[in-house]
Amino acid sequence: EDQVTQSPEALRLQEGESSSLNCSYTVSGLRGLFWYRQDPGKGPEFLFTLYSAGEEKEKERLKATLTKKESFLHITAPKPEDSATYLCAVQAGGNFNKFYFGSGTKLNVKP
Amino acid sequence: DGGITQSPKYLFRKEGQNVTLSCEQNLNHDAMYWYRQDPGQGLRLIYYSQIVNDFQKGDIAEGYSVSREKKESFPLTVTSAQKNPTAFYLCARSPREALRAFFGQGTRLTVV
Repeated sequence: EDQVTQSPEALRLQEGESSSLNCSYTVSGLRGLFWYRQDPGKGPEFLFTLYSAGEEKEKERLKATLTKKESFLHITAPKPEDSATYLCAVQAGGNFNKFYFGSGTKLNVKP
Repeated sequence: DGGITQSPKYLFRKEGQNVTLSCEQNLNHDAMYWYRQDPGQGLRLIYYSQIVNDFQKGDIAEGYSVSREKKESFPLTVTSAQKNPTAFYLCARSPREALRAFFGQGTRLTVV
């Protein structure tokens, strides 16, 4: 069964304190892994797509990496405005356009 | 709005009533989805559609129904058979040639 697990469930950081969020997955034939940011009461906002092991993507203070079993979202020198829930999703081969989501990591960055 | 609009933002329903949530997209994308989000849980797929007049059940379709009569519209009906309908509902779109999904701003449904 296709499955996506995110850890930790919640993370509290001081402003400037770098850290990483984890997304582990078990799917049959990964087509893509996606990271989203979600603010309270709003829809998820697309951040990155990763397609194959070894791939990396960067956007401002965020960097996403992918291995054959997991993905990391590295946050460098976070600011309070980075506080949000970060969601990971995968799309598996044979289920075109069907996405499986993890339960998210709620990040709180204190000034 | 990222090319996809959900309405209303907040919806209240009495027990035993059906209610329909609207989802409209203006980017001519083939695939559309409905997800449900509960506190502390990930998004769970209710229904998805890849072409007009065709749709498939997701993981939690019981108590819900959809239609796809037009490419730009994918309304979700929450029926009285849905035992625990209070949740945040998200609609998404995806073009055939790209894997990523783009979400609307959601509808929060509360049963009173």
